[in-house]
Parts: sequence; C-alpha cells; structure tokens
Amino acid sequence: AQKVTQAQTEISVVEKEDVTLDCVYETRDTTYYLFWYKQPPSGELVFLIRRNSFDEQNEISGRYSWNFQKSTSSFNFTITASQVVDSAVYFCALTSGSARQLTFGSGTQLTVLP
Amino acid sequence: GAGVSQSPSNKVTEKGKDVELRCDPISGHTALYWYRQSLGQGLEFLIYFQGNSAPDKSGLPSDRFSAERTGGSVSTLTIQRTQQEDSAVYLCASRTGRDMNTEAFFGQGTRLTVV
Repeated sequence: AQKVTQAQTEISVVEKEDVTLDCVYETRDTTYYLFWYKQPPSGELVFLIRRNSFDEQNEISGRYSWNFQKSTSSFNFTITASQVVDSAVYFCALTSGSARQLTFGSGTQLTVLP
Repeated sequence: GAGVSQSPSNKVTEKGKDVELRCDPISGHTALYWYRQSLGQGLEFLIYFQGNSAPDKSGLPSDRFSAERTGGSVSTLTIQRTQQEDSAVYLCASRTGRDMNTEAFFGQGTRLTVV
C-alpha cells in the first residue's frame, strides 16, 4: 500500500512571505514518482512538478522550489515571496511500481493575503 | 481536443436515480483514472484503466459504482441508485503509456448533486 500525508490542512501567509508545504509519503517500492499539483479556485488541477525516487536533487523553478529527502520520506514544496495568485489547494501525489494508481494527499489550502 | 474533457459539467439528480458521467481522455493516453472530491476534501481514488489490462477497481466505494472504458478511449462512470453522500466533484485524468514518470492531466470535473 502507498500513502501520502499532508499534515497542514490550511496555511495563511501575508504576501511576500515564504511558505513551505509539507509532504510525507509511504511506499514499499524502491521505484516511485512524486508529484505536486495545484488546484486554484477554478477547480482544475494543474501539474507543477514530478520527481523520481532515484533523483534527490532539489529543483527550483522561479519562485517555486522542491526539497526531496528519501531519508525522511519527504517531498516538501516552498514558495518564495508568495503572491495572492498562489492561493490554492496544493496536492502531493505518489505513484509506484506495485500500485499504478496515483495516490493523493489530502491537500493543503494556502491563502496568501494582500 | 487538447485536454481531458468531462461531461456534463454539472448534474443534479434525485436520490435513487442512476447517473452516467463521461470522460474523453487526451488522444493516445492509455491510462485513465477516476477520482472523487467531496467538498473541501482531497482526491479519493475510484478506478484506474491501463490499456487492455483489467482495471484496478479497488477504490470503488460500493457496488453501486461501476465504470467502463470503450475502445481504450472514452470512459463512463455509472452510479446507480444515487444517494446524497454521492454528491461530489468527479474528476477524470489521463496519462500517457505505462511509464510512471509522466504527469496525469485532469479534466474540469463533473459536479454531481443528489437531492
């Protein structure tokens, strides 16, 4: 079985603050892939990033960065200098060799206040 | 179309009636998923199709729920004898091939309301 835990249900920050969204995963497989999706108020899920289990390099894309640590089974997402448009629900997801279904965490509602 | 298309976008039905929700995946995508998202909740996995393989139905909540995928393309999710707790947004996603290293693309969902 595989599982994704996003312990932060809601986070509220003021614009320009940095914010980190936590994601902890569980899987028995050695080959797996992790994803982050954004769900804005419009409702459609938007893919942000994927990471495979063999690549622990952190990634930065503009104001977004991701920290993948196998030792703690975590794949955290940081938004630097947050903006109001970043307000959305963010989901972490996992797929692995033995369970091809894409398992999602419960999501973190991020609200960025002006 | 360029993306995953779901229809209808909204459906209101009376308790006890059957409903069918449709998903048109991205052309060429062999993997198709259905999820349910209740208000303010996460995504609950329902069913997964991969090519001609037997679907993974492990997420279907009861035998009132079923899904099929015809010709490896369009999929229909059927809910029989709907109950009020079935009210949710039903999301469909497709993905290319068996390679796990690909993202899933989501449709805009069907909002089902059972009254």
